[in-house]
Amino acid sequence: QVRLVQSGPDVIQPGASVRVTCRTSGFTFSSPSSDVTWVRQAPGQGLEWVGWINPSSGYSTYAEKFQGRVTVTRDTHTNTAYMELTDLRSDDTAVYYCARVRGDYFDLWGQGTLVSVTP
Amino acid sequence: HSALTQPPSASGSLGQTVTISCTGTSSDVGRFNYVSWYQQYPGKAPKLMIYEVNKRPSGVPDRFSGSKSDNTASLSVSGLQAEDEADYYCCSYAGSNHWVFGTGTNVTVL
Repeated sequence: QVRLVQSGPDVIQPGASVRVTCRTSGFTFSSPSSDVTWVRQAPGQGLEWVGWINPSSGYSTYAEKFQGRVTVTRDTHTNTAYMELTDLRSDDTAVYYCARVRGDYFDLWGQGTLVSVTP
Repeated sequence: HSALTQPPSASGSLGQTVTISCTGTSSDVGRFNYVSWYQQYPGKAPKLMIYEVNKRPSGVPDRFSGSKSDNTASLSVSGLQAEDEADYYCCSYAGSNHWVFGTGTNVTVL
């Protein structure tokens, strides 16, 4: 069964960092057609693309808005992808999703991880 | 890339057809035939409904269809059913492994 299982909710203070985990199973994590992307959704707002990683090469790209604050990495031994966001602000409060990328679209999604930034 | 523009809301009666537009630019929607659509229920993860403009994943009813003309993509839902009431987001590949989402449309079934 193909699954993406994310880490649990987190409450973080402003200025700190958070790392969200996305454990994959049921497919070849580092195959050419199985990249991973991260998308976030602030409360009551729409979906926003954050970043992408090719697990095979480790090459990643990020939305310009998050450049310098976000890093997406992977561990091919545990088939896990990570997203770290630094210098957190209140408007970073959101549900963060990981999803499998099939070329140009996202076919399977994790359950989402709520990150709350609060003093 | 700025967010793609979708109407905030759309509605239709049971059995009718509703169409949602998604307007981008010549750098995203107009440049690539890589527009996808996602359905999202409150508190749930998005679900892929259409990919590459007009292809349906296995298990998605053929009531859902997609199209594109120039910089605008569209999602049509025919034979509206109560379970189609949800938020819908378009998404376009924007080149160099970047993507951009639409602003989202809330569909109400009357």
